Amino acid sequence: DQQVKQNSPSLSVQEGRISILNCDYTNSMFDYFLWYKKYPAEGPTFLISISSIKDKNEDGRFTVFLNKSAKHLSLHIVPSQPGDSAVYFCAASVYSGGGADGLTFGKGTHLIIQP
Amino acid sequence: ETGVTQSPTHLIKTRGQQVTLRCSSQSGHNTVSWYQQALGQGPQFIFQYYREEENGRGNFPPRFSGLQFPNYSSELNVNALELDDSALYLCASSLGGGRNTEAFFGQGTRLTVV
Repeated sequence: DQQVKQNSPSLSVQEGRISILNCDYTNSMFDYFLWYKKYPAEGPTFLISISSIKDKNEDGRFTVFLNKSAKHLSLHIVPSQPGDSAVYFCAASVYSGGGADGLTFGKGTHLIIQP
Repeated sequence: ETGVTQSPTHLIKTRGQQVTLRCSSQSGHNTVSWYQQALGQGPQFIFQYYREEENGRGNFPPRFSGLQFPNYSSELNVNALELDDSALYLCASSLGGGRNTEAFFGQGTRLTVV
């Protein structure tokens, strides 16, 4: 049973517009959430994270929103740039439990930025 | 500051053989985690090492084992390889003994079992 779900395998967005990537989770013990970006032949690169005590975190063009009641988070990229084309993974962990259970990842969303 | 490096980058093994994958963690990081990423899937947690001890493990059989050395580098060993072990193996280093804040990943080792 997948505890972290990214239901859109791919997303195509025009350059300059907003990209919105979505993620749902089922485990209510998760209290720390991260987004990673992955290019082919490279390891995932950390983008942004959010603790469950917050509902929003911003870093430059990237904003993550967390809706705990809906067990849903989203990553907004504004404005989208060609270099943003990559696979984006949502990940979750039980930070307050020590985090030793590792990160639980979704299957990823392939974002394609069109010129 | 050096990043996370893994070796080798690609490897082909025969079913039933054993394999050792290596990871050098980012400078100053004391925690190493290993993940398996099958095609079309997200990375799946194998186990984590903190100060040379395993301190967390995912749903993987005992033939997946590991080591962490005093310099915090790490090895992943897989015995009795099966075809389904074919995957990208990722190593991630972080600080904090298990709190997976901002784990930094290596480029991975692509293992093919034939």
